[in-house]
Amino acid sequence: DIQMTQSPSSLSASIGDRVTITCRASQSISNYLNWYQQKPGKAPKLLIYAAFTLQSGVPSRFSGSGSGTDFTLTISSLQPEDFATYYCQQSYSPLWTFGQGTKVEIK
Amino acid sequence: EVLLVQSGAEVKKPGESLRISCKTSGYSFTNYWIVWVRQMPGKGLECMGIIYPGDSDTRYSPAFQGQVTISADKSISTAYLQWRSLKASDTAMYFCARHLSEPGPADWGQGTLVTVSS
Repeated sequence: DIQMTQSPSSLSASIGDRVTITCRASQSISNYLNWYQQKPGKAPKLLIYAAFTLQSGVPSRFSGSGSGTDFTLTISSLQPEDFATYYCQQSYSPLWTFGQGTKVEIK
Repeated sequence: EVLLVQSGAEVKKPGESLRISCKTSGYSFTNYWIVWVRQMPGKGLECMGIIYPGDSDTRYSPAFQGQVTISADKSISTAYLQWRSLKASDTAMYFCARHLSEPGPADWGQGTLVTVSS
């Protein structure tokens, strides 16, 4: 199985801050990497797929980078609606695996 | 438009059986893996297992092997997740999703909340 290691598990940030979340795969997954945002009681919302492609309707302050085993999600200027939990997920194998999540909280 | 519509919320007692469904439309059901994902209250996302409806190839993540059964009915483009004997620890939100063979935006169902309580 492909393991996904996401860090940090939580972070505190202020409005306007630049936030970076990293995700590492246990083997190369090319660009089969997706990022989701989830708010309490809601289904996960796809932000970025194929490592760096912004899903339609997602603000451009979100960006993704990386390939192979190391990936990054960046929020360039944190907004109030961005406080949520973020997950990376590999789709290289149909037996998906997710990172453990990063909870972004208000400082 | 690709749609995955899941069955409604369930409240069950420990020991009862349950089958929840994921009805798909808008694509060729037999040509894509369906993934089942669990989210326990306050916890992360876990892939339970997958099924390829074309040939019913089914695989389970180790933690779920023997705990649930995944199946599919090609005639009605619907996938299922089934328990023989529910436990309180099965209380969770369950999602189905369509796996794409190329990098791309996967489609998800809206989720089914299963509550198991005596």
